Amino acid sequence: SQKIEQNSEALNIQEGKTATLTCNYTNYSPAYLQWYRQDPGRGPVFLLLIRENEKEKRKERLKVTFDTTLKQSLFHITASQPADSATYLCALGFSGGYQKVTFGTGTKLQVIP
Amino acid sequence: GAGVSQTPSNKVTEKGKYVELRCDPISGHTALYWYRQSLGQGPEFLIYFQGTGAADDSGLPNDRFFAVRPEGSVSTLKIQRTERGDSAVYLCASSSGGPVTSTDTQYFGPGTRLTVL
Repeated sequence: SQKIEQNSEALNIQEGKTATLTCNYTNYSPAYLQWYRQDPGRGPVFLLLIRENEKEKRKERLKVTFDTTLKQSLFHITASQPADSATYLCALGFSGGYQKVTFGTGTKLQVIP
Repeated sequence: GAGVSQTPSNKVTEKGKYVELRCDPISGHTALYWYRQSLGQGPEFLIYFQGTGAADDSGLPNDRFFAVRPEGSVSTLKIQRTERGDSAVYLCASSSGGPVTSTDTQYFGPGTRLTVL
C-alpha cells in the first residue's frame, strides 16, 4: 500500500540547534516533493520544493534533501528559533500538469528557548 | 486581503443537515483545490478545479459531497446529509494553474472547521 510517513512523535529541540525532520514514502514515484509549515488554526504555508533530479535545496536557514533511492526526504532547520515551532508537512507531487499533492501526517516541532 | 479566504471559519451542524462551505481564491488564480484535514493528519485531497470545471474529483469520498465553481472564481463545497465522520477542517487552496515551480505553488486559506453533532 502507499504510505507517506513522518516522525510520528513530536520533536523537541533546544534553541540554536539544527532540527532534522524525516519524510519516508512507500509505493510512490513522485516528480517532486514539497515541505509546508502549518501553525494551529491556519492553512499550510509552502516552504520549499525539490524535484526528483535534485539532491539538495537551500533557502536561508532551511535545507531539504531528496533521495529517490531511499525514498526519503530530510528537512533541516539550522540555528532553530522558538518561532520555528510549528507542524511541518511533506507533500509528494506528481507529473500531470497541475499541483495536486499528497500530504504526510506532519511532524510537530517544538523549539525550546 | 490578497490571500485565500474561507467562510465560515467555524460551522456546527446536526447530523443529517446540509452545509455549504465557501472559498474565495487569490484573484487571477485559475486553479482551485479543496482538501480535508482531520485531527493529527495531513490534508487529504478532495477536488481540483481548473477554471469552472472540476478536472479531478477523485478525492470526494462519496456522492454526498459536491463542489462548484460556476464563474471560475469563488467555489462552494456542498455536503448533504452530514455525518459525524464528516467533522474536520476543510481547506481550500489556489494556484496560478501553471506547472509547479519553486515559486509558483498552492496558497492555502485558513480553513473551515466543520463539526457535525
